[in-house]
Amino acid sequence: EPEVTQTPSHQVTQMGQEVILRCVPISNHLYFYWYRQILGQKVEFLVSFYNNEISEKSEIFDDQFSVERPDGSNFTLKIRSTKLEDSAMYFCASSGPGGSNQPQHFGDGTRLSIL
Amino acid sequence: AQSVTQLGSHVSVSEGALVLLRCNYSSSVPPYLFWYVQYPNQGLQLLLKYTSAATLVKGINGFEAEFKKSETSFHLTKPSAHMSDAAEYFCAVGGNNNDMRFGAGTRLTVKP
Repeated sequence: EPEVTQTPSHQVTQMGQEVILRCVPISNHLYFYWYRQILGQKVEFLVSFYNNEISEKSEIFDDQFSVERPDGSNFTLKIRSTKLEDSAMYFCASSGPGGSNQPQHFGDGTRLSIL
Repeated sequence: AQSVTQLGSHVSVSEGALVLLRCNYSSSVPPYLFWYVQYPNQGLQLLLKYTSAATLVKGINGFEAEFKKSETSFHLTKPSAHMSDAAEYFCAVGGNNNDMRFGAGTRLTVKP
């Protein structure tokens, strides 16, 4: 069964540095998402992406965050100047045509640790 | 805005007992509702989804959920718990703009 893959599985970065988290969504999916889960807390929506542009973003997704689909397969989340509170698991997800009535398929996440 | 509330951050049952995980939703339009499971150090796996076709939805691993509009609920059940069901369970509602809002999660513990 097709999977969403995320790399790296664990990223350690110094505070203030830029970090890029990478995702390869399922190949025929059209909608792409990023979520964040701080340790012990709930999964929080960050952003959705469709047709090469952001379709929805939460209040968490401020100017330090950006997303990009640089080619036909990758979907990246960039955090420009990391802060200690950015430490969390970041999950990428994708879904097929139909939008919000379609289930999202999640990757196994990238654990981001900011020192 | 759409949202879900999960009642009980932690549920503990004995092996073989009924599992009941509660979820209530808030939505101004007919909602799309989902249950996901998260095993330790893994991503979220879809258990089942409700998209208005039938109020009783059957999912994987013997789980099912019933959509009750009058109660704005979408509780997850399983008749007989297994040790392998121990995990974190998240209820979620599909938003109008392709976002998804998750509940806070319920950690299920299964005692032998």
